[in-house]
Amino acid sequence: DIQMTQSPSTLSASVGDRVTITCRASQNVNTWLAWYQQKPGKAPKLLMSQASSLESGVPSRFSGGGSGTEFTLTISSLQPDDFATYYCQQYIGFSTFGQGTKVEIK
Amino acid sequence: EVQLLESGGGLVQPGGSLRLSCAASGFTFSNYAINWVRQAPGKGLEWVSGIGGSSGSTFYADSVKGRFTISRDNSKNTVYLQINSLRAEDTAVYYCAKADASYVLRNYFDYWGQGTLVTVSS
Repeated sequence: DIQMTQSPSTLSASVGDRVTITCRASQNVNTWLAWYQQKPGKAPKLLMSQASSLESGVPSRFSGGGSGTEFTLTISSLQPDDFATYYCQQYIGFSTFGQGTKVEIK
Repeated sequence: EVQLLESGGGLVQPGGSLRLSCAASGFTFSNYAINWVRQAPGKGLEWVSGIGGSSGSTFYADSVKGRFTISRDNSKNTVYLQINSLRAEDTAVYYCAKADASYVLRNYFDYWGQGTLVTVSS
């Protein structure tokens, strides 16, 4: 199985901050990578696929990058609605997810 | 509007069985793969199983292979997950998630249901 490791596990930030979450794969996944946002008690929501392709309706303050084994999710100016847990997912083979990064209010 | 609605969860004793259902609407059901993803309490996401759209090809995570069976009824727009020989570590919210194409592999999940809770306890 391909292991996905996110860092940090928890991120404390303020509204307006620029935040970056890193996701590392144990093997090359090319750009077969997606990012999801999950709020407590809710299902995950797809933010982007193919490492950097933003889903329709997702604010442009979200951006993704990387290829191979290292990827990033950046929120350019954190908004109140963005406090949530974020997961990366590789799908080059059977899907595996990172352990999640919780973005909390500082 | 795409909707996925899971049902069938509940409290079951170790060694017991349950059948989860995922009823879909808002898209041409037979054209898309459907997956099950679970989340143990306070933990991350784990892909469990997937079934292709037109092909009906099935895939399982090693952790559930031989105990879980995924199937679909395209006439009812419904996917099922039969879960047998349940263990405490199977306790989780089970989500069904639609893939963006008819195949399971090389695919992400663009829509998710609200989840159904399975609790395995004596």
